[in-house]
Amino acid sequence: SQQGEEDPQALSIQEGENATMNCSYKTSINNLQWYRQNSGRGLVHLILIRSNEREKHSGRLRVTLDTSKKSSSLLITASRAADTASYFCVGGFQKLVFGTGTRLLVSP
Amino acid sequence: GAVVSQHPSWVICKSGTSVKIECRSLDFQATTMFWYRQFPKQSLMLMATSNEGSKATYEQGVEKDKFLINHASLTLSTLTVTSAHPEDSSFYICSASSPQGRAEAFFGQGTRLTVV
Repeated sequence: SQQGEEDPQALSIQEGENATMNCSYKTSINNLQWYRQNSGRGLVHLILIRSNEREKHSGRLRVTLDTSKKSSSLLITASRAADTASYFCVGGFQKLVFGTGTRLLVSP
Repeated sequence: GAVVSQHPSWVICKSGTSVKIECRSLDFQATTMFWYRQFPKQSLMLMATSNEGSKATYEQGVEKDKFLINHASLTLSTLTVTSAHPEDSSFYICSASSPQGRAEAFFGQGTRLTVV
């Protein structure tokens, strides 16, 4: 598994705005995943992008992957208060090692 | 999607007692489950890999005699915190490897342990 490092550590926006979170990793990966964790809860898988993909969409989520820069970004469009959570990126397969995440706060 | 249920959601226990946390895969068989620990506003720390029918594999620095893991069936792994102390108070989360060998993991809801 490949630990990702998310940036920024914290992000505060208003409802309706877009939120962009970045992720960097150190070694080659076959895929990169993004997870969300609401406060005091388990993690929820959001989206997986494979190493041969550059961009992927799922609803209001858009993920990009740049393997040459070993980086990824997660864009949440038209954010809602319910998007308030911590977001983690991680590379690899099943046994996942997590970074510190980005804490997103969406204010009404 | 695959569902993982973790129980209890929260528990308060006295110092010196043991606490058992259960992690169940409800609609699929999980030969491998993972246990994490999370302190407030910090990331998840992988504690151990639980393998059905064999001994768990612990990460460096995790005391195997302190955190007993049993994976007796394809749908159940348990973590027992033995002789708990206040410093064991934390949020414990389990995950199960996806069926059909997919990459994504499915997480339980977590257990908030408070040792008083």
